[in-house]
Amino acid sequence: GQNIDQPTEMTATEGAIVQINCTYQTSGFNGLFWYQQHAGEAPTFLSYNVLDGLEEKGRFSSFLSRSKGYSYLLLKELQMKDSASYLCAVRDYGGATNKLIFGTGTLLAVQP
Amino acid sequence: EAGVTQFPSHSVIEKGQTVTLRCDPISGHDNLYWYRRVMGKEIKFLLHFVKESKQDESGMPNNRFLAERTGGTYSTLKVQPAELEDSGVYFCASSRTQETQYFGPGTRLLVL
Repeated sequence: GQNIDQPTEMTATEGAIVQINCTYQTSGFNGLFWYQQHAGEAPTFLSYNVLDGLEEKGRFSSFLSRSKGYSYLLLKELQMKDSASYLCAVRDYGGATNKLIFGTGTLLAVQP
Repeated sequence: EAGVTQFPSHSVIEKGQTVTLRCDPISGHDNLYWYRRVMGKEIKFLLHFVKESKQDESGMPNNRFLAERTGGTYSTLKVQPAELEDSGVYFCASSRTQETQYFGPGTRLLVL
């Protein structure tokens, strides 16, 4: 079956670092995506990993271990505007399909 | 570059009525996807167009849902007749070939 797990909620302090974990079990794998979604808005692309290792993009970094079915999103120097839902999604690949399989999202609350 | 747009932003209809959702992808994106999020659940794939052709419609719930993409530009998703369980947020996304999917803000559908 297809299963993606991430914590439901997290709380962190402004200026701190937070790590959001994601574990997955999917029949196919062609990359893992992280999206940020503010309430009532579109999910916004943050990062993409297809090979093992760390991808860094400013205050955001994402790590992937394919053998462990594990990824994390690291947010540094947290700001109040980082309060949002963070979605982990695996791109399935079977034939020509390119669909994303999502976790339920992690709601991050950044406190002053 | 304009992002993915969706219309309407909200729709409230009665059970048994028909609703048509529209998605305009990013210009030049041949791939168009429909996803749905029902209350408390993860975002789930519905179908994938490449230009005007349905590449994968494995996520369509039943034959009350009809998606079209005439001319390979915008797409419509029609629900007829709507049932209570069809309530949720319908997202559209687009991408160039095999690349990151960019999401629209979604249409919030409530069936009473």
